[in-house]
Amino acid sequence: SAVISQKPSRDICQRGTSLTIQCQVDSQVTMMFWYRQQPGQSLTLIATANQGSEATYESGFVIDKFPISRPNLTFSTLTVSNMSPEDSSIYLCSVERVYGYTFGSGTRLTVV
Amino acid sequence: QKEVEQNSGPLSVPEGAIASLNCTYSDRGSQSFFWYRQYSGKSPELIMFIYSNGDKEDGRFTAQLNKASQYVSLLIRDSQPSDSATYLCAVKDRGSTLGRLYFGRGTQLTVWP
Repeated sequence: SAVISQKPSRDICQRGTSLTIQCQVDSQVTMMFWYRQQPGQSLTLIATANQGSEATYESGFVIDKFPISRPNLTFSTLTVSNMSPEDSSIYLCSVERVYGYTFGSGTRLTVV
Repeated sequence: QKEVEQNSGPLSVPEGAIASLNCTYSDRGSQSFFWYRQYSGKSPELIMFIYSNGDKEDGRFTAQLNKASQYVSLLIRDSQPSDSATYLCAVKDRGSTLGRLYFGRGTQLTVWP
């Protein structure tokens, strides 16, 4: 399986600020996926990031709130902008491998 | 909206028993199905995938797929306390080139000694 290094692992942020989450994959991948997991809930896809093109956002998620960068085939960032307490969640990046999808270790975000 | 439904549980079984986890999906054309295990505070870990109708066994785990009934299940034999976790069913979107997954809400399993 691919190894994904995700950071930070956790953060506590003030409302109105922004946090950038990074994911580094140990091999080149075409697509990277960003998920959110709210407390006690399942995973919800935020967006899909392709290298060299704009990210594709799911319904309910917008680029101004969750800008994504994908500068090369092994790296991506997700920014949570203008945060509110409702953004408190675990954020996960994921890549598709031959036999399934691998996840990063997650970023636990608390907005106060 | 494609749906993936799981019994939320919690499911509680004694050590050594068989735990049975169930999942249904709405998109009849779905092709790929995954079971993830998620320990509290950790990210999901892939434990099984299945593409064809029937059973697929890997150690103590058996995935069962019935496409006609749009049903996929996971059996855990000889359950151990270390199996206590939330199990997520995921279905790959066949209609998109983006390869996204749709997740169920998860079933919380507790195996008591």
